Order: sequence, then C-alpha cells, then structure tokens
Amino acid sequence: AQSVSQHNHHVILSEAASLELGCNYSYGGTVNLFWYVQYPGQHLQLLLKYFSGDPLVKGIKGFEAEFIKSKFSFNLRKPSVQWSDTAEYFCAVNARDSSASKIIFGSGTRLSIRP
Amino acid sequence: ETGVTQSPTHLIKTRGQQVTLRCSSQSGHNTVSWYQQALGQGPQFIFQYYREEENGRGNFPPRFSGLQFPNYSSELNVNALELDDSALYLCASSLEAGYEQYFGPGTRLTVT
Repeated sequence: AQSVSQHNHHVILSEAASLELGCNYSYGGTVNLFWYVQYPGQHLQLLLKYFSGDPLVKGIKGFEAEFIKSKFSFNLRKPSVQWSDTAEYFCAVNARDSSASKIIFGSGTRLSIRP
Repeated sequence: ETGVTQSPTHLIKTRGQQVTLRCSSQSGHNTVSWYQQALGQGPQFIFQYYREEENGRGNFPPRFSGLQFPNYSSELNVNALELDDSALYLCASSLEAGYEQYFGPGTRLTVT
C-alpha cells in the first residue's frame, strides 16, 4: 500500500539556520510529489511540486526539494529560515499511473523558528 | 478568481445522525478531493471526483459518500455519524486529476 513518511514530527531552529525536512514514500510506480504548507490560521497551500524532468524543484519563499527516485525521497530544503517560516509542512504523493487517483499525505512536520 | 469555498464552517451533530458538507471548486477546476484531518495528523484521503465520477477512494467505509455536480461543486455525505468522525473536513480542487490542489478552509465537524 502507498504510504508517506515524514520522519521529523517537530523541528526547532533559529533564524538563518538551514532546513531539511525528510519525506519518503512507498509506491513502485510513477508519482507526482508535493510539499504543502499550513501557516497558523491559514489554509493548506502549495509550496512546490514535482511531476517530471529536473529532480531539483524550486518553490515559493526560497524553498526547494530534490526528488531522488532510487531512495523514494523528496526532501524539502531552505538554506536560511526566517521566523515567518513557522508552520506545519506536509509532503504528499499522487500515484500517476493507476486508473484511479489516490493522494497520500504524510503526518506533517511542525517547524518552529526562534527569532 | 474565486478560491475554494466550503460550507458550513462549523457543525455539531449527534451520533447516528447524517451530515452533508459542501464545496465549491476553484473556477476552471474539474477535480475535487475530500480529506479528513484529525487534530495533529495529516489529511486522510476520502475520495476524489473527476468530471462527476468517483476517481479514487481512500480507506473510508461506504457511509462516506459524495457527489460532484455539473458545475464541479461537490458534496460529502456521512451517514450514521460516529464520535471518531469528529475532525476537520477539507475539500481541494485541481485543474485535472493528479495536478496540484487548492484547498478550502475546511468544515469543523463535532460529533457528540
């Protein structure tokens, strides 16, 4: 069965620190990959996506993610975090080559930034 | 461009009752997905509708059912409510199935 694992439940960083949030999925077929963010009191919104092509994708607000097919991973990175990055981050996978869609979200990583 | 809207915002129901939640998709989007999000958890996929047909389903019992209308708005119906159904129900629309999704604010359902 498809699954998505986000290994870090809660990450606490100081401003200007570098960030890497892990995401691993289990599915043998072709996938679309997403990172969504939920800022306090706001809707879930898309940070970035990978469909095909360059495995290093750039999103909004300086975030990027790298798809490593051999490791079934899609880790999120940011070189220097800001206090405004405090939010919940979700990795999501959509199976592309099944006859029906199934979207699996990870359990989320809460990011707290110390000013 | 109008975003995804959901109604109602909050709802309180009694165990055994039935509930209908509504979602209006973003303009031009033909795909709607529904999710259940319990406190401290990621969204759990309930099902997806693509051009008025169910296009995929998660591990939810048949008492969770849905509809998509010709204007691509959607309903989620839950029968025989249980206490564990208390959660935030999210609707998301996308341009096509498999594309990035745009989420609504959710409906907070409390079952007592």
